Amino acid sequence: DAKTTQPNSMESNEEEPVHLPCNHSTISGTDYIHWYRQLPSQGPEYVIHGLTSNVNNRMASLAIAEDRKSSTLILHRATLRDAAVYYCILMNSGYSTLTFGKGTMLLVSP
Amino acid sequence: DVKVTQSSRYLVKRTGEKVFLECVQDMDHENMFWYRQDPGLGLRLIYFSYDVKMKEKGDIPEGYSVSREKKERFSLILESASTNQTSMYLCASRDINLAKNIQYFGAGTRLSVL
Repeated sequence: DAKTTQPNSMESNEEEPVHLPCNHSTISGTDYIHWYRQLPSQGPEYVIHGLTSNVNNRMASLAIAEDRKSSTLILHRATLRDAAVYYCILMNSGYSTLTFGKGTMLLVSP
Repeated sequence: DVKVTQSSRYLVKRTGEKVFLECVQDMDHENMFWYRQDPGLGLRLIYFSYDVKMKEKGDIPEGYSVSREKKERFSLILESASTNQTSMYLCASRDINLAKNIQYFGAGTRLSVL
């Protein structure tokens, strides 16, 4: 399985942008890059995904390196409600299941 | 918005009891999943179902069974609960449009087996 590497934790101040990095040097050509997050005492929540091009949605932006060996989840203005564990996952289109690593715990200060 | 509802947020059961965890989704998704999440071990797949009356074992099916009689409902059964099944249980559903391959999760059931 292609693996991902993320920092254990990051800190941000409210209203500031946050860039959450993910390395996936063994990514295959058919792997999609997915991001989920898990708020305290909640189930995981889908954030965004992409294949090659940068992606934007109402929650976040995903910047994918040209060689696809890394990506960055961008929260444009962090709020206290964004404090969560963020998981970067590689998903093949034929995958049925999710495998979460340890993720990055994002701490947001007022 | 997709809604996946798990019947209980917290459950306390005794060793040897038969336990039912219920999950209902309202988006007519074909695929449904049961995971457990433990500190340091991440998310582990117990069972999944591609469609009604279909089920497949995941990575850790021992001690569990499942039932999918209706499309919207996927039940996880602990035949004889044991203390090592104390965990957070998460249900998810997914649209069969695999190009999206997005799973939608319930809020989880935290089960304690005493």
